[in-house]
Amino acid sequence: NAGVTQTPKFQVLKTGQSMTLQCAQDMNHNSMYWYRQDPGMGLRLIYYSASEGTTDKGEVPNGYNVSRLNKREFSLRLESAAPSQTSVYFCASSEDPSSGNTIYFGEGSWLTVV
Amino acid sequence: GEDVEQSLFLSVREGDSSVINCTYTDSSSTYLYWYKQEPGAGLQLLTYIFSNMDMKQDQRLTVLLNKKDKHLSLRIADTQTGDSAIYFCAVPRSYNTDKLIFGTGTRLQVFP
Repeated sequence: NAGVTQTPKFQVLKTGQSMTLQCAQDMNHNSMYWYRQDPGMGLRLIYYSASEGTTDKGEVPNGYNVSRLNKREFSLRLESAAPSQTSVYFCASSEDPSSGNTIYFGEGSWLTVV
Repeated sequence: GEDVEQSLFLSVREGDSSVINCTYTDSSSTYLYWYKQEPGAGLQLLTYIFSNMDMKQDQRLTVLLNKKDKHLSLRIADTQTGDSAIYFCAVPRSYNTDKLIFGTGTRLQVFP
């Protein structure tokens, strides 16, 4: 059971470089999310997608773009990486979480921007 | 907007009970969740409670909900070293229930 798969697991970038974090889920979920986790700040929502073809900003969208390519895949792009984007990134998916449905998380991507 | 707060650290002796607390601001939340994050891993759903309940028990876990005070707690009985992790409470954002707002997380350390 793959669940939510995200790549890469580790990445070091130089300031100004670009990269894309890939995420795929095999549970046929409508909703997908990208969070970042920083010490003492919990998880903060970057972008989410309620269904294929739709995306919406979360709490901290600046410096990021997303693409919901199809129902399975939801990618996060950093166009010009900055040291403030050093973080652990989690992709997640769910059916309607307001109905008690589980949000499933990937294992995380550790990104360092130097 | 929604605000969810937790204390950052909790240290308990093995075999004791642990109580992790969470306060939130939005009273319209339907389900409230507890997630567990082990080192180097993503978050996993631990348990949840529906907002019309006061208490939910699941083996060693007890969730208490005080809607009047907007206070949620997670009690772990007979805490084991394997319970050492970060615990997050999460509530749906009031105006968009498709999104969860997470607390800062409480790091539970269990010592022998």
